[in-house]
Amino acid sequence: QVQLVESGGGLVKPGGSLRLSCAASGFTFSDFYISWIRQAPGKGLEWVSYIHYSGSPIYYADSVKGRFTISRDNAKNSLYLQMNSLRAEDTAVYYCVRERAAADRFYYMDVWGRGTTVTVSS
Amino acid sequence: EIVLTQSPGTLSLSPGERATLSCRASQSISSSYLAWYQQKPGQAPRLLIYAASSRATGIPDRFSGSGSGADFTLTISRLEPEDFAVYYCQQYSGSPRWTFGQGTKVEIK
Repeated sequence: QVQLVESGGGLVKPGGSLRLSCAASGFTFSDFYISWIRQAPGKGLEWVSYIHYSGSPIYYADSVKGRFTISRDNAKNSLYLQMNSLRAEDTAVYYCVRERAAADRFYYMDVWGRGTTVTVSS
Repeated sequence: EIVLTQSPGTLSLSPGERATLSCRASQSISSSYLAWYQQKPGQAPRLLIYAASSRATGIPDRFSGSGSGADFTLTISRLEPEDFAVYYCQQYSGSPRWTFGQGTKVEIK
């Protein structure tokens, strides 16, 4: 079935780094835009980063720009998020999400992974 | 940046009742850009409605979306026990790419 499975979360100290991975299956990964969405404990949803199916363009939320790097390997059906200079406010569940977009017709996110938890604490 | 404001913050209703959730944008947006999601505790969000009024695959017809311009509504015609959850509206905004409302919790009265 169509699914996204995140991994790589964990406990890291402020200023540290972590690399998240997302494995896609059940669909042609190279045909789809993908985003990372995060959710801090007890809070709402925040878009983090986006990558085009070809690998470019790439966009980031202002809150992570310059610290996070998104990438993908279509041959491996995988998405990555390299997170550097982590802060306490980056603590969240990180979801890998498939986007659907067609100009002037629809924009939405139809497949979500179960998420991986990142905790930034000393 | 367009801000989405959801109301009410919490809706206390009984099974079988009708739920009406509001999502207001700080300026007019295209209906094509507006989606609704349901999230249950410990789970990822699930797409319910896209393009303001189109139901996603497998979503029961008790869920409906409406609205245009800056005002959008998600209606659950008759609440089932499994519908008690948090609901988010979302819009495609270009920059930042996506924004979400703060959520409405539908709880059992």
